[in-house]
Amino acid sequence: NAGVTQTPKFQVLKTGQSMTLQCAQDMNHNSMYWYRQDPGMGLRLIYYSASEGTTDKGEVPNGYNVSRLNKREFSLRLESAAPSQTSVYFCASSDPGGRGLETQYFGPGTRLLVL
Amino acid sequence: GQQLNQSPQSMFIQEGEDVSMNCTSSSIFNTWLWYKQDPGEGPVLLIALYKAGELTSNGRLTAQFGITRKDSFLNISASIPSDVGIYFCAGQRGSNYKLTFGKGTLLTVNP
Repeated sequence: NAGVTQTPKFQVLKTGQSMTLQCAQDMNHNSMYWYRQDPGMGLRLIYYSASEGTTDKGEVPNGYNVSRLNKREFSLRLESAAPSQTSVYFCASSDPGGRGLETQYFGPGTRLLVL
Repeated sequence: GQQLNQSPQSMFIQEGEDVSMNCTSSSIFNTWLWYKQDPGEGPVLLIALYKAGELTSNGRLTAQFGITRKDSFLNISASIPSDVGIYFCAGQRGSNYKLTFGKGTLLTVNP
């Protein structure tokens, strides 16, 4: 049981390049999330998916797109990377229902540098 | 958006000391969570609180859900070097799945 996995761990992009961050969970969770973490800003929600087939914008969605490929996988795409998107990106998933729905489990993160 | 004010921003303490940190909000939350993030890792859930006034312990950690539902506290007793990291509070409102995170408290423990 690996929990939440993310690839890649590190990435350097040039301004304007595109890339997709991958996330997968093996806990049978319905809900999945993408956050970015910047110094002094805490964690900010980019997009989330309450269940397979649905996605919704979070606090900072501009410049990103997401795909809930299936129940296990939730990818984050940067179509045209900008230096302001330099950050650490975390994927998370949460329990399928009942008490604990809000208990999110995080992946190890992807460190992205946009030059 | 909703704001969680977490304090202090950072703490530098001696091993063996007790630590307290808190989060406050102008909004009511239904659930309060406390996470710890080690360097280079993702946040890990420490304690979840579901009811106003609830006091929950996890080893040397104790957290409380404030009576007003607008605040929460985390205490760490007899700190050890591995307590070093960033501690985040998070709150959840209503029936949606979204969490609002505080900006974190950076804890440094001097052996």
